Amino acid sequence: DSGVTQTPKHLITATGQRVTLRCSPRSGDLSVYWYQQSLDQGLQFLIQYYNGEERAKGNILERFSAQQFPDLHSELNLSSLELGDSALYFCASSVESIGTDTQYFGPGTRLTVL
Amino acid sequence: AQSVAQPEDQVNVAEGNPLTVKCTYSVSGNPYLFWYVQYPNRGLQFLLKYITGDNLVKGSYGFEAEFNKSQTSFHLKKPSALVSDSALYFCAVSPFIQTGANNLFFGTGTRLTVIP
Repeated sequence: DSGVTQTPKHLITATGQRVTLRCSPRSGDLSVYWYQQSLDQGLQFLIQYYNGEERAKGNILERFSAQQFPDLHSELNLSSLELGDSALYFCASSVESIGTDTQYFGPGTRLTVL
Repeated sequence: AQSVAQPEDQVNVAEGNPLTVKCTYSVSGNPYLFWYVQYPNRGLQFLLKYITGDNLVKGSYGFEAEFNKSQTSFHLKKPSALVSDSALYFCAVSPFIQTGANNLFFGTGTRLTVIP
């Protein structure tokens, strides 16, 4: 158990809908990262927050957004969902925001868009 | 641009034999390199990382990795494979030195199967 929690574990929804994925980092970690894992794209970085502020952005679609709250938990919002958004979404956390940090991953949320 | 390559989609090894999972990287300057393992229906678990110093890095569950700057490689190794080592292994690189960003770039993964 990494100490990173994600809810829900599974999410099934329809095209055009909006969903919210939640992540609680390990105690004491200030950085939260979101990654998407799909069969065709592999593991891709979406976005990072550090202590409430956006720190880095990857291949995140405009339909997707995220935020980190004062208690350091983070939410990833996915809207106008398409079939291609079906994937496993991982949250990771690390103590700081430097390259030597180890990122610890949560169990993921499996999103299925029908 | 930073990237890692895992040239083998699948590696099969007999239980008790040594195993190697290959990774090569492309990054300017000194890299920060990581290995993660993913078991079915689980998240990624950290195994080890190379930051600087000794080229042989020891990690969890008896795994180690050898950093080779001249060959730009960071191969994962274990002297004696267990059936429970069967999983998907990912190599990753951090672009922090080059960009100041701490996101990880992952390879495509190598599925390791240890045959009893």
